[in-house]
Amino acid sequence: GGIITQTPKFLIGQEGQKLTLKCQQNFNHDTMYWYRQDSGKGLRLIYYSITENDLQKGDLSEGYDASREKKSSFSLTVTSAQKNEMAVFLCASSILGVSYEQYFGPGTRLTVL
Amino acid sequence: GDSVTQTEGLVTVTEGLPVKLNCTYQTTYLTIAFFWYVQYLNEAPQVLLKSSTDNKRTEHQGFHATLHKSSSSFHLQKSSAQLSDSALYYCALSDRGAEGADRLTFGKGTQLIIQP
Repeated sequence: GGIITQTPKFLIGQEGQKLTLKCQQNFNHDTMYWYRQDSGKGLRLIYYSITENDLQKGDLSEGYDASREKKSSFSLTVTSAQKNEMAVFLCASSILGVSYEQYFGPGTRLTVL
Repeated sequence: GDSVTQTEGLVTVTEGLPVKLNCTYQTTYLTIAFFWYVQYLNEAPQVLLKSSTDNKRTEHQGFHATLHKSSSSFHLQKSSAQLSDSALYYCALSDRGAEGADRLTFGKGTQLIIQP
């Protein structure tokens, strides 16, 4: 088995601030993902990465940057936090080309004041 | 592009009665699998059911779903609801891109509340 760890669990920021969320996995999975979860909107893909130093844009990439520093870690940066923004950011991982299933982390809850 | 529709945002069922959560989809030929994910309060989403075979019933934890490609549906059902089934349920489909990565498209989710 394995686990996905997301830090921090709660993130409070100010309008216009650059904020970074981190994700670590010990599944030894190739592909990692960042999703945004909003109530009533489901999960929407922001970025994904199929290997170290690779980045692929999802449907919601505007306003975000990402970095795959090594196979086990994937960071997401909110480039300019929007006032009153509230969402949960979920990290996930999967095996490339073999398994369809993605495993999710517990999430980072963002609040922008 | 692909899309997944879950028509009910909130479903409330009395304990012991049957549950049905609806899921329909539109997809390209690249779609390879269909899922139901469940998310309990303050936990990560996890796979409840998975299917890639037309007209085959898939079961897990008392829930079942059958992929019907003819009607583009993958409804989730359970014959007798339990209080512990209260959670957020997502229907999703998976495509494989040219680079080999699987991309999930989720519905908006259905909050299931089981009342005593």
